[in-house]
Amino acid sequence: AAGVIQSPRHLIKEKRETATLKCYPIPRHDTVYWYQQGPGQDPQFLISFYEKMQSDKGSIPDRFSAQQFSDYHSELNMSSLELGDSALYFCASSPRSSGANVLTFGAGSRLTVL
Amino acid sequence: AQSVAQPEDQVNVAEGNPLTVKCTYSVSGNPYLFWYVQYPNRGLQFLLKYITGDNLVKGSYGFEAEFNKSQTSFHLKKPSALVSDSALYFCAVNGESYGQNFVFGPGTRLSVLP
Repeated sequence: AAGVIQSPRHLIKEKRETATLKCYPIPRHDTVYWYQQGPGQDPQFLISFYEKMQSDKGSIPDRFSAQQFSDYHSELNMSSLELGDSALYFCASSPRSSGANVLTFGAGSRLTVL
Repeated sequence: AQSVAQPEDQVNVAEGNPLTVKCTYSVSGNPYLFWYVQYPNRGLQFLLKYITGDNLVKGSYGFEAEFNKSQTSFHLKKPSALVSDSALYFCAVNGESYGQNFVFGPGTRLSVLP
């Protein structure tokens, strides 16, 4: 079965650079979520999209932005990178979120900021 | 606001013994409760969920969880632990309204000793 695809799997950037992470949800999943997991931390919700519109916003820094495209894939853009942005970034997808739907997670993108 | 607590950072159990990983939650309205497992450098994998109905929920890999409304708990259990069960376990909660997003607990590291 198709899963959530994230790219790149690993990314190394310098401080103040920009980075873009991509997420391809499971087919027919119209809701996408982004989570950030720092070392030894639990996943923290950043932002979600439903039908290409932002549906919820969590602890996403102003330096970050995201969008969902017409094919439902999503991109997380991170600018002015800081050392503290080094983390695993997970994308998850689900059918329209009713609360009861299971989020299916991708394998994550590991960002290292030097 | 919804929240999840996992009181134990680490649980150690001998292979073949029963295991319990604890979780308590706080949410307005009826909760949707989930357990996810994370292996090193991997994404979060869904184990089981409670929506409604029987308080004992059975999930993947022989895991089960018991929903206790009066104690607001959703402890994860397995009758006989395997070394391969060693991983990081996250409890998560979501409310019943659209747009609410998963909130994860801090995680519990399970070590099953041979």
